[in-house]
Amino acid sequence: DVVMTQTPVSLSVSLGGQVSISCRSSQSLVHNNGNTYLSWYLQKPGQSPQLLIYKVSNRFSGISDRFSGSGSGTDFTLKISRVEPDDLGVYYCGQGTQYHTFGAGTKLELK
Amino acid sequence: EVQLQESGPGLVKPSQSLSLTCSVTGYSITSNYWGWIRKFPGNKMEWMGYISYSGSTSYNPSLKSRISITRDTSKNQFFLQLNSVTTEDTATYYCARFGTTRVMDAWGQGASVTVSS
Repeated sequence: DVVMTQTPVSLSVSLGGQVSISCRSSQSLVHNNGNTYLSWYLQKPGQSPQLLIYKVSNRFSGISDRFSGSGSGTDFTLKISRVEPDDLGVYYCGQGTQYHTFGAGTKLELK
Repeated sequence: EVQLQESGPGLVKPSQSLSLTCSVTGYSITSNYWGWIRKFPGNKMEWMGYISYSGSTSYNPSLKSRISITRDTSKNQFFLQLNSVTTEDTATYYCARFGTTRVMDAWGQGASVTVSS
């Protein structure tokens, strides 16, 4: 299994602030085809998870440019700038290079 | 716009089988991959498996002996069967579409399943 280690477990942020979430994989996520299948999801309270970022840094359709992904190999980061109330919830990193596994989640709350 | 909807019993007895249906509208299940993910109490998420546009399947190795995903293309539905359930299988079960970039780009609203006698 590819184990995804996500930190921190929770984050408190003021509206308008910026936060970063880290995700580390137990092995490289570079696929044989050269792609890196690292994605980020947000589960808002009472809703299903939604896709934010795919292949490390590509924003999914309709996702604000306040969300940005970066990283390579085994270390990845999601940054959220100018945090809004609608950004609150649990963020997950996920990998699709070898089957699919997820991080344990990071809960983003208001300070 | 694609929409997915899970349905099935909310309570299953230990040792029995869990069966869920995912009904898809707005998109044909003969394109893309379609699968199941579950979220346990406490936030842990687990990919369970998927069925491809051609009907081939791939399963999480930890579930391989207990899981089956099938489909009915005439109804645009796909199904989850998980055998020999225990209380550890209590979770919210989501069906999802898998995009070409190996992500889950559309999700159902989730079905809460409790395994209890």
